[in-house]
Amino acid sequence: GENVEQHPSTLSVQEGDSAVIKCTYSDSASNYFPWYKQELGKRPQLIIDIRSNVGEKKDQRIAVTLNKTAKHFSLHITETQPEDSAVYFCAASRETGFQKLVFGTGTRLLVSP
Amino acid sequence: DAGVIQSPRHEVTEMGQEVTLRCKPISGHDYLFWYRQTMMRGLELLIYFNNNVPIDDSGMPEDRFSAKMPNASFSTLKIQPSEPRDSAVYFCASRRTGASNTGELFFGEGSRLTVL
Repeated sequence: GENVEQHPSTLSVQEGDSAVIKCTYSDSASNYFPWYKQELGKRPQLIIDIRSNVGEKKDQRIAVTLNKTAKHFSLHITETQPEDSAVYFCAASRETGFQKLVFGTGTRLLVSP
Repeated sequence: DAGVIQSPRHEVTEMGQEVTLRCKPISGHDYLFWYRQTMMRGLELLIYFNNNVPIDDSGMPEDRFSAKMPNASFSTLKIQPSEPRDSAVYFCASRRTGASNTGELFFGEGSRLTVL
């Protein structure tokens, strides 16, 4: 089955710096890659996703890149702000057939003012 | 829509007791997932349903765990007997497939279980 690895487990940056979180997946049939943000004590919420027919997607200060050949994808946050502090999870699944969404182990991002 | 509704929000019980967690998915969603979250292992998929049918329960830790979805608007996750290592936050999530599906998984607020 699918296995998703995520690095780093913790990341500390200064406000205004960029942050990059990386994930690898094992199932070459996976073609949907979402990212979820979980603030302390809250539920995970989708912030951006990418499908395998594109290599990059951007939404304001966040962007995702996908390399299907290498089976890895990354989340990039630019001009970080304290409210970006949270745990970020990557995930992978297939979009056809039964859609089992497997998450990485999470990255705790701390943005210091 | 009120979103995915889970109950109870918090449960404290003693080892050996039965625990039942409940979930009401968003109306019209055809997938329902149960995840367990711990510091060590992150978000682990326990089981998921499609149109009320269990599709993959390979993540269920052992026979002490069971899940049911008797209809499209209700699911339960039961632990019997409970053990201290079952202490975690249990999330239910639902998703809709279709032509306009974005793939987004909607989570409930979670049930925090503490087994003493």
